[in-house]
Amino acid sequence: GAGVSQTPSNKVTEKGKYVELRCDPISGHTALYWYRQSLGQGPEFLIYFQGTGAADDSGLPNDRFFAVRPEGSVSTLKIQRTERGDSAVYLCASSSTGGNSPLHFGNGTRLTVT
Amino acid sequence: AQSVTQLGSHVSVSEGALVLLRCNYSSSVPPYLFWYVQYPNQGLQLLLKYTSAATLVKGINGFEAEFKKSETSFHLTKPSAHMSDAAEYFCAVRYTDKLIFGTGTRLQVFP
Repeated sequence: GAGVSQTPSNKVTEKGKYVELRCDPISGHTALYWYRQSLGQGPEFLIYFQGTGAADDSGLPNDRFFAVRPEGSVSTLKIQRTERGDSAVYLCASSSTGGNSPLHFGNGTRLTVT
Repeated sequence: AQSVTQLGSHVSVSEGALVLLRCNYSSSVPPYLFWYVQYPNQGLQLLLKYTSAATLVKGINGFEAEFKKSETSFHLTKPSAHMSDAAEYFCAVRYTDKLIFGTGTRLQVFP
């Protein structure tokens, strides 16, 4: 009965490095979302998967950001050549079907780029 | 495109007082609206959602929200605040298959 699990919970990296953030959704949930939350802001949409495919990646800020979900379950958000402005909490959520079914959020990964 | 605006980034109330957190939406179609709560260092938890079945929606922890089309509002209320209600609250609207969040309101509850 586990919820959405995100690892690591905290990540500190140097500017210019590559990072991967992992999300394990609730078992059986076909829809998976990535959001980014900066200090004092609401979550900002990044990308949405339905199954293995990215149904909407309109929120990815630039081509340094990429996400995959190869088997329709676990997803990885990848950030290349990190910048200090990438520092934020990255939230993952899943829902049973997408559409109007509620989103279940993980506790997030706090990324700090030094 | 749909959007939501939360008026007041901080709200402070005394324990036992009425809680009112404001949310106005902008939508060209009947909206699906949500309120989420975020406790420190945790993810977001769904409080309640409006999906056009009833204008007054009851959620968890004694919260409720009323959809008012004439005012394009979906304000969150609770009759009597608890210390444990202190958290960040986010209003959200569904746009295509994703949620668009407001900037949040931090609720402080004083004894």
